[in-house]
Amino acid sequence: NAGVTQTPKFQVLKTGQSMTLQCAQDMNHEYMSWYRQDPGMGLRLIHYSVGAGITDQGEVPNGYNVSRSTTEDFPLRLLSAAPSQTSVYFCASRLQNYNEQFFGPGTRLTVL
Amino acid sequence: AQSVTQPDIHITVSEGASLELRCNYSYGATPYLFWYVQSPGQGLQLLLKYFSGDTLVQGIKGFEAEFKRSQSSFNLRKPSVHWSDAAEYFCAVGRSGYSTLTFGKGTMLLVSP
Repeated sequence: NAGVTQTPKFQVLKTGQSMTLQCAQDMNHEYMSWYRQDPGMGLRLIHYSVGAGITDQGEVPNGYNVSRSTTEDFPLRLLSAAPSQTSVYFCASRLQNYNEQFFGPGTRLTVL
Repeated sequence: AQSVTQPDIHITVSEGASLELRCNYSYGATPYLFWYVQSPGQGLQLLLKYFSGDTLVQGIKGFEAEFKRSQSSFNLRKPSVHWSDAAEYFCAVGRSGYSTLTFGKGTMLLVSP
């Protein structure tokens, strides 16, 4: 199993550009989440999904969209990037009835 | 809503000395508790977790943590720190049937020679 994979590892955007951060897992996990990590702030939840076709907002959802068309994939879309979205983004997944979350390696995003 | 407090932003420990990282949580029922470690530029690795049962849990790399319900705490300990333990440590809380975790802001561990 590859576990949770994220692409790209690094990305630089200009203000106003859009892009999609990819997240995939091959463990057949129902639950998937996106977090952002900023210095001194820990990890904050952006969006999450409890299964294909079901998503919900987390603590800091503004400026981000998600969809979950398959169990394996959970992309995060930035519609119009802003410097405040400069961060490290982590995707995570877990089984419904098992509480350990598995994290991807992260995507470091810089918005100029 | 649940919350997690890690009171120490930075801690410096001499190599070979003991370590205790503090974590306090706020949640009405019995929480699910986790400690993760993050080395620079890396993702998060699970050190240990508490769901129920024995309140002293053992994890990887020689770490352990004790759940104290009366103090709403889940402190992480290691008897003898190694230079390779230098990293950032995150405490997290979830609940039964939870969808996501709530994380503390992290404690950066520095190990001096």
